[in-house]
Amino acid sequence: DGGITQSPKYLFRKEGQNVTLSCEQNLNHDAMYWYRQDPGQGLRLIYYSQIVNDFQKGDIAEGYSVSREKKESFPLTVTSAQKNPTAFYLCASSLSLFEKLFFGSGTQLSVL
Amino acid sequence: KNEVEQSPQNLTAQEGEFITINCSYSVGISALHWLQQHPGGGIVSLFMLSSGKKKHGRLIATINIQEKHSSLHITASHPRDSAVYICAVSNTGNQFYFGTGTSLTVIP
Repeated sequence: DGGITQSPKYLFRKEGQNVTLSCEQNLNHDAMYWYRQDPGQGLRLIYYSQIVNDFQKGDIAEGYSVSREKKESFPLTVTSAQKNPTAFYLCASSLSLFEKLFFGSGTQLSVL
Repeated sequence: KNEVEQSPQNLTAQEGEFITINCSYSVGISALHWLQQHPGGGIVSLFMLSSGKKKHGRLIATINIQEKHSSLHITASHPRDSAVYICAVSNTGNQFYFGTGTSLTVIP
């Protein structure tokens, strides 16, 4: 079945540590996105990518980094510069930029 | 002010009731999306519409472009409909704006 796979489902970060969240899709979608969800707030865009080897900052990119070396994969690294990383992170993809979104099941990141 | 406003924030209904969730937006849009988020966290796209009305099973989505307003209706609600429903718009500047969601609980 086609879909988006995020891993891990739960992740804990220590102070000063970088952590990487995985996102893989087999939908043959060109566009991929990372969103952050905090309680009581709408989804906020961290980064998005329209094609391989290209990505753009979203509204809250500071403290995060991404890569898009393969069409299927769009990993997100939460760096030590992100001082408030505790949130639910959602990866999404669409056939082309800002068309109908398909979401992964999310990763809950917490700080130890 | 948020670009997308939803009401109500929370909604409790008895099984079988007709439910309406409202969404208003303030930006020019290319499409409006209704999303469903279950307690496990994953999100499913229910509808994407730019005019008129769409129906899928017991779910109906309508949009009024002139009034910048959309509604999501659930007929004959069921406990399995309990979820957070999120309205989002994609605009002509190639951005998505998301509402904060409506938390629906359907009681048996």
